[in-house]
Amino acid sequence: QKEVEQDPGPLSVPEGAIVSLNCTYSNSAFQYFMWYRQYSRKGPELLMYTYSSGNKEDGRFTAQVDKSSKYISLFIRDSQPSDSATYLCAMSAGNNNDMRFGAGTRLTVKP
Amino acid sequence: DSGVTQTPKHLITATGQRVTLRCSPRSGDLSVYWYQQSLDQGLQFLIQYYNGEERAKGNILERFSAQQFPDLHSELNLSSLELGDSALYFCASSGTAGYGYTFGSGTRLTVV
Repeated sequence: QKEVEQDPGPLSVPEGAIVSLNCTYSNSAFQYFMWYRQYSRKGPELLMYTYSSGNKEDGRFTAQVDKSSKYISLFIRDSQPSDSATYLCAMSAGNNNDMRFGAGTRLTVKP
Repeated sequence: DSGVTQTPKHLITATGQRVTLRCSPRSGDLSVYWYQQSLDQGLQFLIQYYNGEERAKGNILERFSAQQFPDLHSELNLSSLELGDSALYFCASSGTAGYGYTFGSGTRLTVV
C-alpha cells in the first residue's frame, strides 16, 4: 500500500461544475497537507496549504482535511477551463524531508 | 517566476553520455530536493540536500549523483544515460519546515 493514494483520473467536467479531488493516506504522523497544481510541462505550484484538520478556503478553492479518516479533499467551485491541470496532493509530518506526493489527478474543464 | 532557477530547460543527449543539471534555490532556502517525473508518472523523489549536506535519499540510481555547493546551488549529475532516463527533472527548495516546497520549471531530458 502506498503512503499516499490519489486517483489519477483523468477527470473531465463542464465549465462551471464543482470539482472534488481526493487523497487518502496511511501515515498518521502527517500534519501538513498541501495541494499543488501542475500545468503541462511546468513545475508544480503550491495552491493550498493546511495544517492539521479542518477547512481552508481561498477564492474558488476549498481544502478539507479529515485526519480521523486520513482523507483530504480539494474542491473547486465554478470551475474554469484555466483550471485544467494536474492536481497533486502532498503531505508531511513537518520535517520537510518527508514530503510525500500523490500521483496526481489530471483535470480537464471543458468550455 | 517561482524563485527556483533550473538550467538548462531542455537537454537532448545520446545514450551512454553524462549530463549535469543545475538548480539555484529560492533566496534564503537551505534545502534543495530533486525529483524525476516520467511521462504520466508522479513525482519520484531522488535526493535532498540541506545546507550542503545530504539529508535524505529516495529512489536515486547509482548512476546519478548530486551535490549542494556553499552558495547553496545544487547540481544533479546523470551518467551512463539510458533511454529510460528521459524525463522531466525538477528541483525544489524549502525554508521553514512544513510550509511546502517551491518548484523550479524543470529540465526536460531526452536521451536518444
